[in-house]
Amino acid sequence: DARVTQTPRHKVTEMGQEVTMRCQPILGHNTVFWYRQTMMQGLELLAYFRNRAPLDDSGMPKDRFSAEMPDATLATLKIQPSEPRDSAVYFCASGLLDWLSYNEQFFGPGTRLTVL
Amino acid sequence: DAKTTQPPSMDCAEGRAANLPCNHSTISGNEYVYWYRQIHSQGPQYIIHGLKNNETNEMASLIITEDRKSSTLILPHATLRDTAVYYCIVSHHNDMRFGAGTRLTVKP
Repeated sequence: DARVTQTPRHKVTEMGQEVTMRCQPILGHNTVFWYRQTMMQGLELLAYFRNRAPLDDSGMPKDRFSAEMPDATLATLKIQPSEPRDSAVYFCASGLLDWLSYNEQFFGPGTRLTVL
Repeated sequence: DAKTTQPPSMDCAEGRAANLPCNHSTISGNEYVYWYRQIHSQGPQYIIHGLKNNETNEMASLIITEDRKSSTLILPHATLRDTAVYYCIVSHHNDMRFGAGTRLTVKP
């Protein structure tokens, strides 16, 4: 049963610390998405990659957030330095997508981040 | 900028059909209508999508009006496990922007 996995599932850190969240997309999927969910803002798209290349990161605060795909099996989202307002659940999703195929995304379980 | 409008909440009796409406009056010709749902604390789950025609799969049916300005997701026999937030999204195959969705509560 192929699934998107995310680590860690929970992270509590102090303001100013670096946070790295990891995602393993489903094998064979070529597109990876990062979302952030809060009660106030709902589910926001931060960035997405296709074939490991960033296609859109316009939803991501550039000064402190960075997203990468070191290889096809790993996507990372890093926050440095972290702030209390970054507290949220961060979801990774993957899909086998191209310009013609429909957009079925498979979501991971999320990383619940708390910044004190 | 919200592309879809959904009621914030709805109730449905267990075993009855749940009909979730969505307005997307500014949808463009090449945009699809997608439905996802999010069960408490889990990641969203794809349900169904359509362009013009009505669609049905093992989970639900999607009815799109002829002018494509609105659609309805139908869960034919709702169960307690269908309690979730349902998102209606219009997208042209790339990124998707989730709105606030409809919180469906299925009651025994």
